[in-house]
Amino acid sequence: GQQLNQSPQSMFIQEGEDVSMNCTSSSIFNTWLWYKQDPGEGPVLLIALYKAGELTSNGRLTAQFGITRKDSFLNISASIPSDVGIYFCAGRRRNTGNQFYFGTGTSLTVIP
Amino acid sequence: DAGVTQSPTHLIKTRGQQVTLRCSPKSGHDTVSWYQQALGQGPQFIFQYYEEEERQRGNFPDRFSGHQFPNYSSELNVNALLLGDSALYLCASSLRGGGTNEKLFFGSGTQLSVL
Repeated sequence: GQQLNQSPQSMFIQEGEDVSMNCTSSSIFNTWLWYKQDPGEGPVLLIALYKAGELTSNGRLTAQFGITRKDSFLNISASIPSDVGIYFCAGRRRNTGNQFYFGTGTSLTVIP
Repeated sequence: DAGVTQSPTHLIKTRGQQVTLRCSPKSGHDTVSWYQQALGQGPQFIFQYYEEEERQRGNFPDRFSGHQFPNYSSELNVNALLLGDSALYLCASSLRGGGTNEKLFFGSGTQLSVL
């Protein structure tokens, strides 16, 4: 099925650094959701995006809905140890119902 | 405000057996979707239930079936279990007709191990 490409696959950063990750697709999406997942837990919703070009923040997190509607970006500023986890993007295509397609995930490690 | 609850949290079965997983959606939500997450992968859509009917289905065989009850809770049934069915099964709730404002809220999942 549809697979979203996330990059980078993994990141190792120093505490206090900023983080950027992205998600791309070959299809046009009308909704992008960003999640954080800890081991053995379900994904937790971070940010939801619904319009091309939309920029939305949630604390130190900022996400953008790409202008082409085929990509989305997530930035984390001033990273802290509790940011450690796997970040997933999820997108819903136009005219294909309510199925969300998930990315392959970006694993973030923050070094104190 | 109760979030999405799933039971059981862990389950061990043997090949060929059948399993039933349960989910209660977030308060105020009426739609339940089920996802399968293999180790190291992103969740994969199994199906969605709304108004007690399966509304959409992903690329999963008929061994995977479900049900939604009048109180919006849902069950996922898997028959004739295979080793490859070992995964974290996630339930997500949402509000139908959310349209462009739809959000999925996930439970903590059921970790299924098939031996």
